[in-house]
Amino acid sequence: KQEVTQIPAALSVPEGENLVLNCSFTDSAIYNLQWFRQDPGKGLTSLLLIQSSQREQTSGRLNASLDKSSGRSTLYIAASQPGDSATYLCAVPLGSGNTPLVFGKGTRLSVIA
Amino acid sequence: DAGVIQSPRHEVTEMGQEVTLRCKPISGHNSLFWYRQTMMRGLELLIYFNNNVPIDDSGMPEDRFSAKMPNASFSTLKIQPSEPRDSAVYFCASSLAAGGNYGYTFGSGTRLTVV
Repeated sequence: KQEVTQIPAALSVPEGENLVLNCSFTDSAIYNLQWFRQDPGKGLTSLLLIQSSQREQTSGRLNASLDKSSGRSTLYIAASQPGDSATYLCAVPLGSGNTPLVFGKGTRLSVIA
Repeated sequence: DAGVIQSPRHEVTEMGQEVTLRCKPISGHNSLFWYRQTMMRGLELLIYFNNNVPIDDSGMPEDRFSAKMPNASFSTLKIQPSEPRDSAVYFCASSLAAGGNYGYTFGSGTRLTVV
């Protein structure tokens, strides 16, 4: 059974810091991995999707890496801003195609101005 | 595109009442997922449909929960009778597997409070 764990559960940093969020999964036979952002009271917004054949994806100040063999992914946020404050969740699909995602419980990030 | 549309946004109901949550997926998406989010358990899959057909409902907590997808543009999640422990945020998501890019789009959720 696939399980996804995110550490830390919460993180508070001063504005401008670079930071790393961690995600681990128990079954390394994944097809892809996604990082989502969730603002309080809102739905989930997809940030980055990494295919199993890729090692990283970048979007602006965000960089996500994937190491399938070790069952780990990291989300790197450069030069953090107060607007980055949100909960970040990683998720992996149960299988190929349109299968459900298994989510971690998220890391709640606060960036202090 | 208006995205995945869920209604109502908030629902407060008394224990024992029937609750119906609604979801309109993105046009052209062929899969639809219902998730429940709580502080304790995070996001949990309840049920999902491919091409309007229920594929896996093993996450539905009890017989009090039921879901339907009568057509490609509409799905409902019903709880009857509702209980306080059903209080949570319920999300609907849709996706289309195309070219290996399995993009999921989530609705804004329905916050259910059962008193």
